[in-house]
Amino acid sequence: EIVMTQSPATLSVSPGEGATLSCRASQSISSKLAWYQQKPGQAPRLLIYGASTRATGIPARFSGSGSGTEFTLTISSLQSEDFAVYYCQQYSSWWTFGQGTKVEIK
Amino acid sequence: QVQLQESGPGLVKPSETLSLTCTVSGGSIARYYWSWIRQPAGKGLEWIGRIYTSGSADYNSSLKSRLTMSVDMSKNQFSLKLSSVTAADTAVYYCAKVGGGNNWFDPWGQGTLVIVSS
Repeated sequence: EIVMTQSPATLSVSPGEGATLSCRASQSISSKLAWYQQKPGQAPRLLIYGASTRATGIPARFSGSGSGTEFTLTISSLQSEDFAVYYCQQYSSWWTFGQGTKVEIK
Repeated sequence: QVQLQESGPGLVKPSETLSLTCTVSGGSIARYYWSWIRQPAGKGLEWIGRIYTSGSADYNSSLKSRLTMSVDMSKNQFSLKLSSVTAADTAVYYCAKVGGGNNWFDPWGQGTLVIVSS
């Protein structure tokens, strides 16, 4: 099983500031990585697939990068609606998720 | 646009079988893969299994011995049965469409909480 490790567990950011979230795979997954946003009481929402392609309707302030085993989700200027938990997910070998990074208001 | 809605009992007794159905609206379930994912309270996401509209299914190896998934094309639904449940199976259960040629999950249902307790 491919293990996905996200860091940090919690990120405290002020509105308007940027945020960088990391995701590491236990083995190479090429670019077969997706990012999701989950708000309390809601289902996850797809943000990014193919490591760097924004899903339909996702604002340009969200960007993804990386390949192989190291990946990054960057939020350029946090809006109030961006405070949430973010999960990475690999689809190279079945599907596994990271444990999540909570982005909270500083 | 496609929408998914989970349904089923919110309370299941230990050792019994958990049964959930996902109803797809706004599009046909035909020629796509569909999945179940669960999330224990305050924890991360776990992929449970996927099913194609032919009925062919693949399961998470950790659940395989207890899991059965099926599809009902006439009702545009797919279903999950998890047998011999314990408290560890208590979670929010989501159904989702497997998009991008069987790669990522989008969209998701709103989720349904299933509690295993006597």
